[in-house]
Amino acid sequence: EAGVTQSPTHLIKTRGQQVTLRCSPISGHTSVYWYQQALGLGLQFLLWYDEGEERNRGNFPPRFSGRQFPNYSSELNVNALELEDSALYLCASSPWVGSTNEKLFFGSGTQLSVL
Amino acid sequence: GESVGLHLPTLSVQEGDNSIINCAYSNSASDYFIWYKQESGKGPQFIIDIRSNMDKRQGQRVTVLLNKTVKHLSLQIAATQPGDSAVYFCAETYGANSKLTFGKGITLSVRP
Repeated sequence: EAGVTQSPTHLIKTRGQQVTLRCSPISGHTSVYWYQQALGLGLQFLLWYDEGEERNRGNFPPRFSGRQFPNYSSELNVNALELEDSALYLCASSPWVGSTNEKLFFGSGTQLSVL
Repeated sequence: GESVGLHLPTLSVQEGDNSIINCAYSNSASDYFIWYKQESGKGPQFIIDIRSNMDKRQGQRVTVLLNKTVKHLSLQIAATQPGDSAVYFCAETYGANSKLTFGKGITLSVRP
């Protein structure tokens, strides 16, 4: 069974540019999560999508946005890139079981460098 | 508020010894806890989880202990191996529609 896949694996952008990161969840998983991991830091929650809807959002500015498609894949968009956006962006998926939370399965991430 | 923290930033152990990684959480409503392992260049990998109706859960070479009274979580790794060298994160959440909150991580270094 394929795991969570993310593309691209690495990306270099300059300040002010826009970037789109992509994620395909594990087959059968309806929830997709995005996390930011800056160098040497923990994982900061960005966004959570389930069944095409945004379920929860972390403490990030509006230039961080995303969406989930009918096939449950997801995109993370970052506009007006800033130097501090340089980080590993991790996508995770989990099955939605309604009343309880389940463990997340992570992809290998997209390493974004903003110059 | 919600916060999950780790007591030590690094832990160095001798190969073959047992490792204990500790984690404190502040939200008494948290009901689900997970330990993840992250190797260099990879995403976090699930190790073991525990729900708040339990105080101990065992896996292969790993044990998670939950002390709700003092809001403390620990990961025990038996017979630590070089392949266990990684950054370990604890994470917690509560209820449905709640994000998984991660601690800052602790680096486990295994000496040969």
